[in-house]
Amino acid sequence: EAGVTQFPSHSVIEKGQTVTLRCDPISGHDNLYWYRRVMGKEIKFLLHFVKESKQDESGMPNNRFLAERTGGTYSTLKVQPAELEDSGVYFCASSYALNRVHNEQFFGPGTRLTVL
Amino acid sequence: DAKTTQPTSMDCAEGRAANLPCNHSTISGNEYVYWYRQIHSQGPQYIIHGLKNNETNEMASLIITEDRKSSTLILPHATLRDTAVYYCIVRVASAYSGNTPLVFGKGTRLSVIA
Repeated sequence: EAGVTQFPSHSVIEKGQTVTLRCDPISGHDNLYWYRRVMGKEIKFLLHFVKESKQDESGMPNNRFLAERTGGTYSTLKVQPAELEDSGVYFCASSYALNRVHNEQFFGPGTRLTVL
Repeated sequence: DAKTTQPTSMDCAEGRAANLPCNHSTISGNEYVYWYRQIHSQGPQYIIHGLKNNETNEMASLIITEDRKSSTLILPHATLRDTAVYYCIVRVASAYSGNTPLVFGKGTRLSVIA
């Protein structure tokens, strides 16, 4: 079974440009999460989809970030316009959306974004 | 913010047990202890979780003190592939909590040495 995949693995862009990151969750996983680690900081939660709906977007840093999950399958995270402080590694994770204490979150390998 | 305290780094000889401590002195009665790890260039990976009883699976053992204020993750026979950052996470347990996001702290960087 394929794991969570993310594309691209690396992206280098100039300040002010737009970048779109893609995440393909594990098939059947209705929960999809975006996290990121910026330089020297901890991994931080950005937002959570349940199917195509945004369940929690409390971690989104500002309105330059737009996440979508049309059709409840893959998700995209667009940064427009990118700023230097957006550099970091963006992780996507997915899990079953079952009402129970523990649903294991499976993480993708991340997209390393560098804004010059 | 993370509710746990972990040492910044640890070394362990290959083949020996790696014991990673975590302090969570403010843990509530309805909070679980979770462990994840991140191997270089990979995403975080779930290891184990527990409430108050000791837990063991194919990857590791989790020992939680009786007062639940601290815990230890044990990798019984560490290998070079266990070199990673290990995160101890406290998480509220409820019928829905399996869907909530994870709150990562700084973690412990474990280096397994040949």
